[in-house]
Amino acid sequence: DAGVIQSPRHEVTEMGQEVTLRCKPISGHNSLFWYRQTMMRGLELLIYFNNNVPIDDSGMPEDRFSAKMPNASFSTLKIQPSEPRDSAVYFCASSRTSSVETQYFGPGTRLLVL
Amino acid sequence: AQSVTQPDIHITVSEGASLELRCNYSYGATPYLFWYVQSPGQGLQLLLKYFSGDTLVQGIKGFEAEFKRSQSSFNLRKPSVHWSDAAEYFCAVGDGGSQGNLIFGKGTKLSVKP
Repeated sequence: DAGVIQSPRHEVTEMGQEVTLRCKPISGHNSLFWYRQTMMRGLELLIYFNNNVPIDDSGMPEDRFSAKMPNASFSTLKIQPSEPRDSAVYFCASSRTSSVETQYFGPGTRLLVL
Repeated sequence: AQSVTQPDIHITVSEGASLELRCNYSYGATPYLFWYVQSPGQGLQLLLKYFSGDTLVQGIKGFEAEFKRSQSSFNLRKPSVHWSDAAEYFCAVGDGGSQGNLIFGKGTKLSVKP
């Protein structure tokens, strides 16, 4: 298995631009999680899906952030417009079921907003 | 609400020395507990987990952790540290319900000196 795949691995953009991060979960996994990691705040859960349905988006910082999961093998996290304070590493993780199970993390997308 | 505390931000040990990383959790029922490791520039990798049963759990790379309910702790140990163990270590707790969410600690960065 290829594991969780994220793209791009690195993204540099200017303030105000739209940023789209992509994630392909492990095949057969029903739950998908988006995290943000910064030095100041550590690892924060932004949103998670179960069977392609958003279950909890209370961690999404503000309306500039949106996430979709159109099918079981693909999810996006979009920031529009981006701001310098959005600079962070964004991780996608997946797990087998909606109950507590091991989450498998992707390599992350390092985002820098200038 | 659940919470996880990792009291040590940064620990330095000599290669070959023993290691113990501390983790305390706050949760009303029996917690589901995890330790993850993050190497520089990488995603998080599961080291071990505790769901029930034997309170001493073995993980990969020679790590083990002991669940102590009376102390609300789940400390990670390794008898002899290798230089390749230098990384950041995260403790996490899940509620075992239908949510599948994990709460992560802030992490402990481990440095290994020759």
